[in-house]
Amino acid sequence: AQSVTQLGSHVSVSEGALVLLRCNYSSSVPPYLFWYVQYPNQGLQLLLKYTSAATLVKGINGFEAEFKKSETSFHLTKPSAHMSDAAEYFCAVSSGSARQLTFGSGTQLTVLP
Amino acid sequence: GAGVSQSPSNKVTEKGKDVELRCDPISGHTALYWYRQSLGQGLEFLIYFQGNSAPDKSGLPSDRFSAERTGGSVSTLTIQRTQQEDSAVYLCASTAGGDPYEQYFGPGTRLTVT
Repeated sequence: AQSVTQLGSHVSVSEGALVLLRCNYSSSVPPYLFWYVQYPNQGLQLLLKYTSAATLVKGINGFEAEFKKSETSFHLTKPSAHMSDAAEYFCAVSSGSARQLTFGSGTQLTVLP
Repeated sequence: GAGVSQSPSNKVTEKGKDVELRCDPISGHTALYWYRQSLGQGLEFLIYFQGNSAPDKSGLPSDRFSAERTGGSVSTLTIQRTQQEDSAVYLCASTAGGDPYEQYFGPGTRLTVT
């Protein structure tokens, strides 16, 4: 069975600072990994996905994530935070024939002026 | 193009009543998923449809929960005899056949059981 752990339920950064949101996964087969963002009272929007091609994945809004098999990690980064990045971020895994997404518990990102 | 839509956006019901939540997936998407988002449990998978069939119902929390999909399109999630612990946001997602792992989510239905 697969699982996802997001370290840090709340992360605060200053505007213009590096954003780093941590995600570690557990999967018995090569995983497909995703980062989703959720703005207040909205659904989930896909930021980026890893599907066994390049290990460094670029997504929307300047976000990227690196798949590291040896560390079972898929951390999300952005070089310079913007106020509009304030939202909740979810890491998710989908592997094998299960198809459904297993989500981490989410990280609330606050961007300070 | 149109995304996944869900209705109603908000639903308040009394304990013991039945509710129906509707999901309209992106046109042409063959797979459809229901998830539940609650404060205590986070995001949980409920059920998956491929066409009109539900090969995976493993996430339904009790037999009070059921879902159907008709015409390979619209899906309805029904909760019978609602309980306060059913209060949550119910999210629907759909995927295209060629990329089954990239799920597109609707805005959700916020269910409050009083």
